[in-house]
Amino acid sequence: EPEVTQTPSHQVTQMGQEVILRCVPISNHLYFYWYRQILGQKVEFLVSFYNNEISEKSEIFDDQFSVERPDGSNFTLKIRSTKLEDSAMYFCASSALLGVGYNEQFFGPGTRLTVL
Amino acid sequence: QQQVKQSPQSLIVQKGGISIINCAYENTAFDYFPWYQQFPGKGPALLIAIRPDVSEKKEGRFTISFNKSAKQFSLHIMDSQPGDSATYFCAATPYNTDKLIFGTGTRLQVFP
Repeated sequence: EPEVTQTPSHQVTQMGQEVILRCVPISNHLYFYWYRQILGQKVEFLVSFYNNEISEKSEIFDDQFSVERPDGSNFTLKIRSTKLEDSAMYFCASSALLGVGYNEQFFGPGTRLTVL
Repeated sequence: QQQVKQSPQSLIVQKGGISIINCAYENTAFDYFPWYQQFPGKGPALLIAIRPDVSEKKEGRFTISFNKSAKQFSLHIMDSQPGDSATYFCAATPYNTDKLIFGTGTRLQVFP
């Protein structure tokens, strides 16, 4: 069964460093998302991406964040200068269809980001 | 305000019992209400979903009840099994968008 994959599973970085989280969405999907989950809290939407551009972003997704689909298979989230509060589990998701009332998003296993 | 409130935070149920998780939303601008199941170390996985034009949807042991006027929806797990032990998230999608707004999650434990 097709699945979303994410690498690495765990990333440890120093505050102020840049990190890139990688995702390979399901191959025929066209809509891509990043969410994050701070430990013990709910899953929060960060950004959605379609046709090589951001379609929506949350207030969390500030200038320190960027997304890219560099090669037609990978979907990346870059955090330019990490802060302690960026420590969270980051989930990538993808969806085949967009439309009112149908939006099954398939989630990857997540990357745990720890900022020291 | 686009929020989804979920309760209880945790739930312990005996095997064979009914698990009930409730969610409520504050504005009417949502048009899709999925429930996600998450096992430790895994990403959330879609369990069942409902649109606001129906009041109930059943898939196997899982049923969503939807009350549009009260702005509430709930997940019922019949004949709960130890394998159902997981964290359950309700979510909602606002009109004209595809982002998911998640509830705070319910940790379900089903004991034999």
